[in-house]
Amino acid sequence: NAGVTQTPKFQVLKTGQSMTLQCAQDMNHEYMSWYRQDPGMGLRLIHYSVGAGITDQGEVPNGYNVSRSTTEDFPLRLLSAAPSQTSVYFCASSYGTGHGGTQYFGPGTRLLVL
Amino acid sequence: QKEVEQDPGPLSVPEGAIVSLNCTYSNSAFQYFMWYRQYSRKGPELLMYTYSSGNKEDGRFTAQVDKSSKYISLFIRDSQPSDSATYLCAMKGQGAQKLVFGQGTRLTINP
Repeated sequence: NAGVTQTPKFQVLKTGQSMTLQCAQDMNHEYMSWYRQDPGMGLRLIHYSVGAGITDQGEVPNGYNVSRSTTEDFPLRLLSAAPSQTSVYFCASSYGTGHGGTQYFGPGTRLLVL
Repeated sequence: QKEVEQDPGPLSVPEGAIVSLNCTYSNSAFQYFMWYRQYSRKGPELLMYTYSSGNKEDGRFTAQVDKSSKYISLFIRDSQPSDSATYLCAMKGQGAQKLVFGQGTRLTINP
């Protein structure tokens, strides 16, 4: 079991560029989510999905897009990168409401927008 | 006011000390309470999970939930330098999908 995997580990973008952060899990989890982590802000939910074909917005969705075509994959797209999107991004998955919805996190992607 | 408040620290204690980490919350619907540990440049990993009120013990770690006070705690006994990390509390309501996280407390255990 690889768990939750994320690529790339680190990325530098210029303002206005677009990119996709990849996330995959091999635990057959229904629920997947994307967070960003900034100093002093904790983890803030960007988007989440309760199953293939179903996505919804979290606390800070602006500037990000998601889709869920398979159970395993949940990519996060930055449409037009801005310096305010410099952050560490974590993908997480869980059984949904089972086990209290405890989430398993990937190793993160560090993004720097210049 | 944030739904979950956690003192960000930093907190620095000598090896062997008892550490107490705390979170307060405002939403009385929260039923599931978790503590995550995050080492530097790594993703958070689940440390403890508690449903409703009460205590749960796992080795040197004890999680306490006091729903009447809307207050949760994590105690670390005989702390070790390997416990140095950021600790995040998280919670959710029954049937809810989304976890709400505290800001995280950075802990350093000095040898």
